[in-house]
Amino acid sequence: DAGVTQSPTHLIKTRGQQVTLRCSPKSGHDTVSWYQQALGQGPQFIFQYYEEEERQRGNFPDRFSGHQFPNYSSELNVNALLLGDSALYLCASSRQSVPDTQYFGPGTRLTVL
Amino acid sequence: AQSVTQPDIHITVSEGASLELRCNYSYGATPYLFWYVQSPGQGLQLLLKYFSGDTLVQGIKGFEAEFKRSQSSFNLRKPSVHWSDAAEYFCAVGVEGKSTFGDGTTLTVKP
Repeated sequence: DAGVTQSPTHLIKTRGQQVTLRCSPKSGHDTVSWYQQALGQGPQFIFQYYEEEERQRGNFPDRFSGHQFPNYSSELNVNALLLGDSALYLCASSRQSVPDTQYFGPGTRLTVL
Repeated sequence: AQSVTQPDIHITVSEGASLELRCNYSYGATPYLFWYVQSPGQGLQLLLKYFSGDTLVQGIKGFEAEFKRSQSSFNLRKPSVHWSDAAEYFCAVGVEGKSTFGDGTTLTVKP
């Protein structure tokens, strides 16, 4: 049983560019959440998707957007990249019936130069 | 809004010694509580969780945690630390699918 997978593993972009990160949830899970983990800090909640809709959102600007597909996979898009967007981006999946038990992927390391 | 405080940024213990990592949370009701471990460059692995019931919960890798409502605490313990336990540990509060994390405690294990 595959766990949560994320791609790519690492990514380097320059300021002002746009980036798309991808996540496939654990089998049987229908809810995907995205977190940003800056160096030396705990993960911060970006948003959560269920039934292809954004259900909850943390304190992140509109430059951060997402999408969920019918197969429950998800994308995180960040526009107009800033140096401060450099972080590890974690995807977590869960069942809507048990939303707080989340399984995390290995993350995508984004570096903005 | 909920918040989590992990007072110890860095802890060093000798291999074989006992370990306690502290976690305090702020939330109006009893939330779901979690401890995760993260090795360098890796994602988060769930060690244990508390939803309700027995306040002492057992997890993987020999870890346990005790929920104390009166102290708003959820401290993680292990009776005998192994060198492989060296990692970053995060306490988290879950409310309706949104998790709020502390800033973590880095554990170093001395041989």
